Amino acid sequence: NAGVTQTPKFQVLKTGQSMTLQCAQDMNHNSMYWYRQDPGMGLRLIYYSASEGTTDKGEVPNGYNVSRLNKREFSLRLESAAPSQTSVYFCASQGLFSSGNTIYFGEGSWLTVV
Amino acid sequence: DAKTTQPNSMESNEEEPVHLPCNHSTISGTDYIHWYRQLPSQGPEYVIHGLTSNVNNRMASLAIAEDRKSSTLILHRATLRDAAVYYCILVYNQGGKLIFGQGTELSVKP
Repeated sequence: NAGVTQTPKFQVLKTGQSMTLQCAQDMNHNSMYWYRQDPGMGLRLIYYSASEGTTDKGEVPNGYNVSRLNKREFSLRLESAAPSQTSVYFCASQGLFSSGNTIYFGEGSWLTVV
Repeated sequence: DAKTTQPNSMESNEEEPVHLPCNHSTISGTDYIHWYRQLPSQGPEYVIHGLTSNVNNRMASLAIAEDRKSSTLILHRATLRDAAVYYCILVYNQGGKLIFGQGTELSVKP
């Protein structure tokens, strides 16, 4: 049981390039999330998908798009990367979109934009 | 958004109990109190959560004040592997979304 799997783990992009971060969970969870973490800071929510077929903006959605491909997979796309998007990105999942449910995180994807 | 206040850092000795405080004076009746921790270069890891009553699990205990305006995460015997940043988070009418603060960086001395 792998839990939440993110790919790639490390990526260097040039300004203006595009890329997609992939995330998959094998826990049959309904809700999935993308967070970013800048150095010395707590995580900030980019986008989330409360259930398959829905997506919503979080705190910092500008410059990103997401796709909930199916129940297992939730991808994050940077259309035109900027140095301000250099960060560690974490995907997470949750059984049901509820305040009382645990959220499980992936190991992170380190992205550098030069 | 309801906020939490935690000390920036705390120190503990190995094998001693650790009490990590969290203030959340603006908490409302339906807000759950979640604790996550993050080890260096890893994703956050769930520790414990509760609503009104104290909670225990294999990792820790959560003591919630009667007025719910504060809570304390208790690690009964700190180990070196418990050195991490601990986040106290209120999760409320936004379903499952977590709003992270700065957290408390716990260091454990041998």
